[in-house]
Amino acid sequence: AQKITQTQPGMFVQEKEAVTLDCTYDTSDPSYGLFWYKQPSSGEMIFLIYQGSYDQQNATEGRYSLNFQKARKSANLVISASQLGDSAMYFCAMRDEIYNQGGKLIFGQGTELSVKP
Amino acid sequence: EAGVTQSPTHLIKTRGQQATLRCSPISGHTSVYWYQQALGLGLQFLLWYDEGEERNRGNFPPRFSGRQFPNYSSELNVNALELEDSALYLCASSFGQYNEQFFGPGTRLTVL
Repeated sequence: AQKITQTQPGMFVQEKEAVTLDCTYDTSDPSYGLFWYKQPSSGEMIFLIYQGSYDQQNATEGRYSLNFQKARKSANLVISASQLGDSAMYFCAMRDEIYNQGGKLIFGQGTELSVKP
Repeated sequence: EAGVTQSPTHLIKTRGQQATLRCSPISGHTSVYWYQQALGLGLQFLLWYDEGEERNRGNFPPRFSGRQFPNYSSELNVNALELEDSALYLCASSFGQYNEQFFGPGTRLTVL
């Protein structure tokens, strides 16, 4: 069965510093996708970044990068130059891309990031 | 381009009643997903609709049901409400099943 684990319930980071949010996953499927979403207190889930299991390079989107280590089954999110507006819950998610699961996302428990001024 | 919209924002019901939640996907998106975010349980996949058909459902009882209309909007119905159905219900849409899912603001359902 697929599983996503986020072991950091809460993290603090100083404004303008970089922070890494951990995510490990478990799947027996050869083809899968990994996602990170941000959920501010308003509740809306905001898509940040995607990594496909066959992608050779780590994904980057602006200040977000995904440190993908396939052998270790980890997909950590790195946020560079943290801003106060980055304070939110962050969810790692995975989807099976071969067995017609319809893009169903499996989410981790989330990490609450607080950026200090 | 308008994002995913959901209505109502908040919904208060009593145990045993029925709730109807609505979702309008991003224009051009044919797939709609429903997720439940209950306190302490995280985000759980509920249902996937594509081209008007239910394609997949999560581990939820049959009293959770829904449909997708010809304009790709979707409705989630929860019958015989229980206290533990209180949660934020998030709808997401995508262009095809293997593209990014974009989420709406959610409907917060409270069952008293």
